[in-house]
Amino acid sequence: DAGVTQSPTHLIKTRGQHVTLRCSPISGHKSVSWYQQVLGQGPQFIFQYYEKEERGRGNFPDRFSARQFPNYSSELNVNALLLGDSALYLCASSSMTGGNYNEQFFGPGTRLTVL
Amino acid sequence: TQLLEQSPQFLSIQEGENLTVYCNSSSVFSSLQWYRQEPGEGPVLLVTVVTGGEVKKLKRLTFQFGDARKDSSLHITAAQPGDTGLYLCAGLYRTGGFKTIFGAGTRLFVKA
Repeated sequence: DAGVTQSPTHLIKTRGQHVTLRCSPISGHKSVSWYQQVLGQGPQFIFQYYEKEERGRGNFPDRFSARQFPNYSSELNVNALLLGDSALYLCASSSMTGGNYNEQFFGPGTRLTVL
Repeated sequence: TQLLEQSPQFLSIQEGENLTVYCNSSSVFSSLQWYRQEPGEGPVLLVTVVTGGEVKKLKRLTFQFGDARKDSSLHITAAQPGDTGLYLCAGLYRTGGFKTIFGAGTRLFVKA
């Protein structure tokens, strides 16, 4: 079974540009969450989408946006890139079934470098 | 703002030693998860604890959720070089959907 896939694996952009990152969840999972992980830190929550609707948002500026498609894949868009946006962007999928917890399965991430 | 403080940040020990990693918060979480992350990869879920006071064991790893669901610990017995990695705790709470807060991680290095 395929796990969570993300594309591209690496990306280099310059300040002011925009970027689109893509994620395909595990088959049957309807929730996708996005995280930013700066070197040396834990992942920071950006968004959660479930059934194509935003269900959670972290403390990120409006330059960050996302959407989820009918097939449950997702895109993360970042506009007007800043040097500080350089990070590993992680996508996690979950089934959102069964009780009070959300078991997330992470993809390998997209390494974004902003020059 | 919910915060998860993880300690220690870095741990270097000899093979065979025991260790404990702590995760503390002033917030109550619906559940708490522990992950392990290798360089260049996404975190891999080790365990989810849901009930206050819950203890779960995974081979040489023991996970505990505090009675008030604000803190957790990970204890590794007889550490092996293969245990080397970044250990992350993550607290989950409901906001309509779910919001996950990660600690900064504990980087463990086990020397042979």
